[in-house]
Amino acid sequence: ETGVTQSPTHLIKTRGQQVTLRCSSQSGHNTVSWYQQALGQGPQFIFQYYREEENGRGNFPPRFSGLQFPNYSSELNVNALELDDSALYLCASSLSSGGIYTEQFFGPGTRLTVL
Amino acid sequence: GESVGLHLPTLSVQEGDNSIINCAYSNSASDYFIWYKQESGKGPQFIIDIRSNMDKRQGQRVTVLLNKTVKHLSLQIAATQPGDSAVYFCAETSPSNDYKLSFGAGTTVTVRA
Repeated sequence: ETGVTQSPTHLIKTRGQQVTLRCSSQSGHNTVSWYQQALGQGPQFIFQYYREEENGRGNFPPRFSGLQFPNYSSELNVNALELDDSALYLCASSLSSGGIYTEQFFGPGTRLTVL
Repeated sequence: GESVGLHLPTLSVQEGDNSIINCAYSNSASDYFIWYKQESGKGPQFIIDIRSNMDKRQGQRVTVLLNKTVKHLSLQIAATQPGDSAVYFCAETSPSNDYKLSFGAGTTVTVRA
């Protein structure tokens, strides 16, 4: 186990609703990255938070937003849910020290189903 | 679009045989390449990584080979075991994107007893 936890495990929503997913990073890690994994696909980068600031964003619309808290845990918020938002949402934590690659540790994911 | 891709979506291998999983990438600026294993209901688990200035790196029962000339990456698993059944992803990252990970679509490995 990586020490990265996510909640809830599963979630069912309807189109147009809003959802908040949560991630607790591994102890000592200061960076959280969020990924969307559609069924049968590889994870796609949504955005990353480093020291409570967004630090890079993938090709996702503004209705995907996030937060990072002083304890480095993080939330992913999705507004106006669409059917295509159904996916496994993964968070990964890492210890970033600026400008170098560091290993990302993934949580088990939240399975979101939009009906 | 995706900058990495895997050659085959599925691989069936006899227990005890060696497995080879391939991956092609297109970003010549990629600096690190990582292999992940994802079991059903779990998040990706780090297996091994390799930096762009290396050609080969070995771990426990796994070897990663990098051919920068043809932008090709492979993962070799020795003496494949039933517990190796999973989806395997290659991912690449580079300083130009602040080391965000770009994943391929994955190869599903099934180990036959």
